[in-house]
Amino acid sequence: GEDVEQSLFLSVREGDSSVINCTYTDSSSTYLYWYKQEPGAGLQLLTYIFSNMDMKQDQRLTVLLNKKDKHLSLRIADTQTGDSAIYFCAVKSGSARQLTFGSGTQLTVLP
Amino acid sequence: EAGVAQSPRYKIIEKRQSVAFWCNPISGHATLYWYQQILGQGPKLLIQFQNNGVVDDSQLPKDRFSAERLKGVDSTLKIQPAKLEDSAVYLCASSLDRDRGNTFGSGTRLTVV
Repeated sequence: GEDVEQSLFLSVREGDSSVINCTYTDSSSTYLYWYKQEPGAGLQLLTYIFSNMDMKQDQRLTVLLNKKDKHLSLRIADTQTGDSAIYFCAVKSGSARQLTFGSGTQLTVLP
Repeated sequence: EAGVAQSPRYKIIEKRQSVAFWCNPISGHATLYWYQQILGQGPKLLIQFQNNGVVDDSQLPKDRFSAERLKGVDSTLKIQPAKLEDSAVYLCASSLDRDRGNTFGSGTRLTVV
């Protein structure tokens, strides 16, 4: 089945850019997603990209997809303290379009 | 639109007891998912419904877990008997179809003691 990997921790200074990386294994993946989870809360869909796209920009968020290397990244411009959360990469693949999550990256924004 | 509703919000039970969780998806969403999220990990898919049929339950421990989605709307997830390792947050999600992003509920935090 699909395997999704992320680094566990990232710290940045307020106002800097954050880049969160993710790799996946299934080349037939269709949609790729980024979710945000704040403490005690459910998962909030931030953005997604379809597998035939290389890049998608949505306000402060930029998603880059390198399909050859099976690498997905999320860039957050002008990172704020409110962006501190766990960010999950998730990939839909398979005939049933199962959504497989990475282990999440804990983003800490320092003042 | 109203989000995905889940209840209860918290549940504490002793091992070997049974427990049930309820989910009401977004109206019109055909696909419903149950995930288990153990502390410090990403959500793991337990079961996926398309309307009231099961699409994928390959990671559901069927000796103790069961789920149903009667009439293709609400769903319940049951654990019987519970084990200590079942302590986790159980998340329900729904999507308009299999290719769309999943909208998640706030989850039920289960503690088995």
